[in-house]
Amino acid sequence: EAGVAQSPRYKIIEKRQSVAFWCNPISGHATLYWYQQILGQGPKLLIQFQNNGVVDDSQLPKDRFSAERLKGVDSTLKIQPAKLEDSAVYLCASSLGGSLGQFFGPGTRLTVL
Amino acid sequence: QKEVEQDPGPLSVPEGAIVSLNCTYSNSAFQYFMWYRQYSRKGPELLMYTYSSGNKEDGRFTAQVDKSSKYISLFIRDSQPSDSATYLCAMSSDYKLSFGAGTTVTVRA
Repeated sequence: EAGVAQSPRYKIIEKRQSVAFWCNPISGHATLYWYQQILGQGPKLLIQFQNNGVVDDSQLPKDRFSAERLKGVDSTLKIQPAKLEDSAVYLCASSLGGSLGQFFGPGTRLTVL
Repeated sequence: QKEVEQDPGPLSVPEGAIVSLNCTYSNSAFQYFMWYRQYSRKGPELLMYTYSSGNKEDGRFTAQVDKSSKYISLFIRDSQPSDSATYLCAMSSDYKLSFGAGTTVTVRA
């Protein structure tokens, strides 16, 4: 069974630039999550999708972050404009449903200069 | 106060030692208690989960939950260099996971 795929793996940008991350979940997984993991901290949920609908985006900084999952499969997370404090690893996870069976991708490491 | 507090470490132990990792939590609504392992430059992977107070064993790993004290532990017996990683506790109510900050463990050969 293929795992959660993410790209790119690494990205370096300057502040105020925009960036987008892509995630392809495990086939058949209806629930998709985006997490932000700052160095030395645990992952923090940014947004959760159930199929192509948003379940929870309460911790997503909506003035600069956006995410979509148009066909209920792949998802993109965008930051525009980026700030220095956005430097982190952005993890995508998917599950059949519920929080227990979440499988994580390798993450995208973002550095904002 | 954070919902989940985890001993920050780092921990460095010799091969064969017992590793003890701990977390405390404040939210009584948490129903499931998990431990994830995260290797460098990788995403977290689920090691163990439990939903009741008591112990749960899986090979060299034992997860312990004390709901009355809001305290969970993970023990790794006969630790190996391949156990070197960051260990994250996580807790769930409904669909949402709340993670600890992680403890980095190094097992010296």
